[in-house]
Amino acid sequence: EDQVTQSPEALRLQEGESSSLNCSYTVSGLRGLFWYRQDPGKGPEFLFTLYSAGEEKEKERLKATLTKKESFLHITAPKPEDSATYLCAVQGPRSGSARQLTFGSGTQLTVLP
Amino acid sequence: DSGVTQTPKHLITATGQRVTLRCSPRSGDLSVYWYQQSLDQGLQFLIHYYNGEERAKGNILERFSAQQFPDLHSELNLSSLELGDSALYFCASRAGTGGTDTQYFGPGTRLTVL
Repeated sequence: EDQVTQSPEALRLQEGESSSLNCSYTVSGLRGLFWYRQDPGKGPEFLFTLYSAGEEKEKERLKATLTKKESFLHITAPKPEDSATYLCAVQGPRSGSARQLTFGSGTQLTVLP
Repeated sequence: DSGVTQTPKHLITATGQRVTLRCSPRSGDLSVYWYQQSLDQGLQFLIHYYNGEERAKGNILERFSAQQFPDLHSELNLSSLELGDSALYFCASRAGTGGTDTQYFGPGTRLTVL
């Protein structure tokens, strides 16, 4: 069974204080690892897809990296508007052609002004 | 805006009742996924449809069913509702065969069962 564990559960940062969120996964044959941002009461918003170890992607203050066992979402000089829950999800061969996602429980990030 | 629409935004009903949630995928997307998000379970995959056909089932209860219509919109039917069915229900769409793996989520329907 595919498993995704995110840490920490919650993180409070001061504006400008850089940090990283962790996503550890267990999947036999990773097809893809996805990062989403979710604001309260809203749908997950797509951020990145990573397919192979060593891959990195960046978008504004966010940078996602991938190893064979985990992914990191690095947040550089965060702003209050970066406050949200960040979700990690994996897609493995068990999903077959359906390609459904297995999600972690998320990291709730709060950036204080 | 992901391009995926869901109605209604909120739904309040009583135990034992039946409700229908509707989803319209992004233009051109053939795949529709339904997910349930509750406080204690996180986001859980329920069911997947591709171009009108059911392709995969996840943790979907027998009281729940879904379908995808020829115009590609999808409906999730929840019956004999229980208090524990209260949750956010999301649909997501993906291009499908030959497209990217990325799923784009709708704004969700918040279901409250009293």
